[in-house]
Amino acid sequence: GQQLNQSPQSMFIQEGEDVSMNCTSSSIFNTWLWYKQDPGEGPVLLIALYKAGELTSNGRLTAQFGITRKDSFLNISASIPSDVGIYFCAGQLRNNDMRFGAGTRLTVKP
Amino acid sequence: DSGVTQTPKHLITATGQRVTLRCSPRSGDLSVYWYQQSLDQGLQFLIQYYNGEERAKGNILERFSAQQFPDLHSELNLSSLELGDSALYFCASSASGTGAREAFFGQGTRLTVV
Repeated sequence: GQQLNQSPQSMFIQEGEDVSMNCTSSSIFNTWLWYKQDPGEGPVLLIALYKAGELTSNGRLTAQFGITRKDSFLNISASIPSDVGIYFCAGQLRNNDMRFGAGTRLTVKP
Repeated sequence: DSGVTQTPKHLITATGQRVTLRCSPRSGDLSVYWYQQSLDQGLQFLIQYYNGEERAKGNILERFSAQQFPDLHSELNLSSLELGDSALYFCASSASGTGAREAFFGQGTRLTVV
């Protein structure tokens, strides 16, 4: 019930294409976070969302906190090779526990 | 550089042994979180400390324990190690005790149990 379902599991796209990934759960979350992890590195925070319905952009990245508070999506526009990596969503529950999605592995072909 | 420091970067040890992983949070951050990431897997939340006290617990094994010291650094102790404990262990820190919010991760400790 508190697990996050992140999809897709992996994506192979051409440079310049737009990307969309999402996380859903049957539980309500107070905060949604999106991270990117490069190989051998720690996850780096991309976008933080605090309110239902909130839409936030960070450069070519846009993320939204779902109205029901049970989902969030991340869009990347005009992908470039350095977008390659694993993208994780994370949700914060009422008890302050964090849950992470399984990640979306993005491959960008030049 | 996230400002979160983890040591050691790599650790190789034998089954049955005990190891201690260390995390120094960003300056001013009161919360420390520990996560486990197995090969090509997602991040599993283990435990959170806030200002020295345990705040939230995830799927942490009984063989694992953690603490946060008065200077706010934290240690994760893993005992009776098994092959399946081989993983990347990350810590993250944030300023707020009410949740991760803008949590920043360290570079991780890669543990290999042989």
